[in-house]
Amino acid sequence: SQQGEEDPQALSIQEGENATMNCSYKTSINNLQWYRQNSGRGLVHLILIRSNEREKHSGRLRVTLDTSKKSSSLLITASRAADTASYFCATDAGTGNQFYFGTGTSLTVIP
Amino acid sequence: DGGITQSPKYLFRKEGQNVTLSCEQNLNHDAMYWYRQDPGQGLRLIYYSQIVNDFQKGDIAEGYSVSREKKESFPLTVTSAQKNPTAFYLCASSLRWTGVSSPLHFGNGTRLTVT
Repeated sequence: SQQGEEDPQALSIQEGENATMNCSYKTSINNLQWYRQNSGRGLVHLILIRSNEREKHSGRLRVTLDTSKKSSSLLITASRAADTASYFCATDAGTGNQFYFGTGTSLTVIP
Repeated sequence: DGGITQSPKYLFRKEGQNVTLSCEQNLNHDAMYWYRQDPGQGLRLIYYSQIVNDFQKGDIAEGYSVSREKKESFPLTVTSAQKNPTAFYLCASSLRWTGVSSPLHFGNGTRLTVT
């Protein structure tokens, strides 16, 4: 199936540092989304980037998309302990109405 | 407040029993989805529905069934035919795709344990 893969699987950083997570996918897409999941909870949408966009910002989040390499990255700047969570990318495989999730990156921000 | 409600939060069943997970939304979204999440893994799509009285199988529909009789509700039944039903189940909704994708809104999940 069109499942993305996040890299790294786990990341541990000190508060105040930047965190970068990468996502690779397999087929063409209309858009790519990033979500955050706190332990035992549902996912929360962070940002959506369309296939014709290369970069998008939202607060401390910066997302890039390289459709030629079928990859995206999520940068969280000036991380906080509250950013500790799992982060997932999701793509629509060009269908628009089905979303396929990666395996996630587990981020731990140490106070 | 608008949102998605999944109930119950924890569910325990004996092997061989069918069980129905509830999902209700008041966001006026046309599209609804069911995902399964296993420990340390991503989400896998079970079923999705773009409109009332219509639904489509996802990647892992075997052993599951759904109905979409009302816009607000999309219950999932885990049948005895599902070989490994113990998992965390997540329901989501979104605006219907009309050429532009919209974000998914998730409930807080139901953790099903079958023994």
